Amino acid sequence: DAGVIQSPRHEVTEMGQEVTLRCKPISGHNSLFWYRQTMMRGLELLIYFNNNVPIDDSGMPEDRFSAKMPNASFSTLKIQPSEPRDSAVYFCASSLIQGARTEAFFGQGTRLTVV
Amino acid sequence: DQQVKQNSPSLSVQEGRISILNCDYTNSMFDYFLWYKKYPAEGPTFLISISSIKDKNEDGRFTVFLNKSAKHLSLHIVPSQPGDSAVYFCAASAITGANNLFFGTGTRLTVIP
Repeated sequence: DAGVIQSPRHEVTEMGQEVTLRCKPISGHNSLFWYRQTMMRGLELLIYFNNNVPIDDSGMPEDRFSAKMPNASFSTLKIQPSEPRDSAVYFCASSLIQGARTEAFFGQGTRLTVV
Repeated sequence: DQQVKQNSPSLSVQEGRISILNCDYTNSMFDYFLWYKKYPAEGPTFLISISSIKDKNEDGRFTVFLNKSAKHLSLHIVPSQPGDSAVYFCAASAITGANNLFFGTGTRLTVIP
């Protein structure tokens, strides 16, 4: 398995522009997470999907952030309009939750820079 | 509010010695704990986990200890190797929290050859 695939790996955009980050989870996994890594807060959970349904989006910082999971093999995180303080590394992770606990597998991340 | 805390942002250890990374949590509902390792420009990778029904779990050079009464866990690496140099994240989840993983801010471990 190729693991969790994120694209793009790097994104540089101007303030005010729309940014879309993409994620392909591991095949067969039923849960998907979007995290943001910052120096101050470490890995923050932004939103969590289970069976393509958003379960907890309390970590989404503002209405400028939105996430979708139209099917089991694809998810997007959109920021519109983007701001310099959104600059961070964004990670997508997936896991298979079937009663017993299991770890989440992370993608390589998207480094977003908003200038 | 940070529910999982790693108060040491960095740690340096000589090769061959023991590395001890610490983690504290505040949510008493957490019942599953994990450690992840992260190299630069890569995503975090799972290292070891422990359920709250145990107080110790060992996997090769890595051992995780859990002290539920103190809401504290630690990761021991013995012996430390230069390849262990990375950022280590502690994470926790609660069965009632739909398996969301809450992470600490990480500890950067440097193993000196």
